[in-house]
Amino acid sequence: QVQLQQWGAGLLKPSETLSLTCEVYGGSFSGYYWSWIRQPPGKGLEWIGEINHSGRTNYNPSLKSRVTMSVDTSKSQFSLKLISVTAADTAVYYCARVPAYCSGGTCYSRSYFDYWGQGGLVTVSS
Amino acid sequence: QSALTQPASVSGSPGQSITISCTGTSTDVGTYNLVSWYQQHPGKAPKLMIYEGSQRPSGVSNRFSGSKSGNTASLTISGLQAEDEADYYCCSYAGFITPGVVFGGGTKLTVL
Repeated sequence: QVQLQQWGAGLLKPSETLSLTCEVYGGSFSGYYWSWIRQPPGKGLEWIGEINHSGRTNYNPSLKSRVTMSVDTSKSQFSLKLISVTAADTAVYYCARVPAYCSGGTCYSRSYFDYWGQGGLVTVSS
Repeated sequence: QSALTQPASVSGSPGQSITISCTGTSTDVGTYNLVSWYQQHPGKAPKLMIYEGSQRPSGVSNRFSGSKSGNTASLTISGLQAEDEADYYCCSYAGFITPGVVFGGGTKLTVL
């Protein structure tokens, strides 16, 4: 049974850096993309970006300048950093697994999320 | 990347069928069969209900089905049950030029 467990600071001040980590239990770490998605209170879902086991990333263009994702395959972990946060970054942040298909040595995201972490509220406030 | 368009709310009585629409463009929903649907109960993480347009993950009831016509994808729930009351989000591959996905704004389903 695949489980994703995420953690990170829940309260930040404006201009600080948001840092979250997600660890994967059960199942393979390779052969998938790993994604971050957020949901402001009372609002809809927003895709932040994704990374695969070899470090290939895709980011939401609206956040690309502030986002960095990384992966530690030895620990089955992946991480999110978002710099220069403001109140608009207040949201529940989720990590999720993204199935992939591989062809010719390259793996491509299949663009859906089959397992999710429990979510964590990050509040940005002075 | 522009958000996909969903109705804010839909409702139905137990046993009835409802359909939630998800309208995109010719560069996302219209071109790729990569629409997924998620159910979210209050305070919970979203749950995958449909992927790649019409595929159901193991364990998801066959009362849930997905389809597409042109730039609009649809989620149909038949035999509506009280536990189906939740928020539903569609999601689509955003296109080759800007890899990634885009979500719909969400639809609140009320079971009357």
